[in-house]
Amino acid sequence: DIQVTQSPSSLSASVGDRITITCRASQDISNSLAWLQQKPGKAPKSLIYAASRLQSGVPSKFSGSGSGTEFTLMITNLQPEDYATYYCQQYKDYPLTFGGGTKVE
Amino acid sequence: EVHLVESGGGLVQPGGSLRLSCAASGFTFSDHYMDWVRQAPGKGLEWVARARNKANSHSTEYAASVRGRFTISRDDSMNSLYLQMNSLKTEDTALYYCVRVSRQCDFDYWGQGILVTVSS
Repeated sequence: DIQVTQSPSSLSASVGDRITITCRASQDISNSLAWLQQKPGKAPKSLIYAASRLQSGVPSKFSGSGSGTEFTLMITNLQPEDYATYYCQQYKDYPLTFGGGTKVE
Repeated sequence: EVHLVESGGGLVQPGGSLRLSCAASGFTFSDHYMDWVRQAPGKGLEWVARARNKANSHSTEYAASVRGRFTISRDDSMNSLYLQMNSLKTEDTALYYCVRVSRQCDFDYWGQGILVTVSS
């Protein structure tokens, strides 16, 4: 199975900050990586696919980069609505696997 | 607008069975792979199963934790996805999400989730 390791597991940030979350895959997954946002009591929402492509309607303050085994999600100008848990997910091979999540508080 | 609405959850005893349904609307259901993803209370996301589209013979994939106990199926004429869950264990307790797979193979739309509780 492809293991996906996310760091940090939580981070404390202030409004207006720029934050970075890292995801590492245990083997080369090319660009088959997505980032999702989940707010408390809500279903996850897709933000980024193919490592760096924004889903329709997602603001450009969110950006993704990386390929192979190292990936990054960056959020600029953090706003109150951005406080959530973020997950990365690989879809290169089965079983599809998720990172453990990063809670932004 | 894409809508995915799950139903069929509830409380079941260990060893019991339950069938989840997902009603889809707002897109051509038959064109897309569809998945189930679950989330145990206070935990992260776990992929459960996939049902490919008709062009791929409705073939399926499963997580090792549910293989042999769960069966994913779909009815394209009803725009519906199903998850038959047998031999349920306490560790199957989770919120189960119906998820659409995009043409780029990522998860682009999620249902609101349905709770399954396995407890005596």
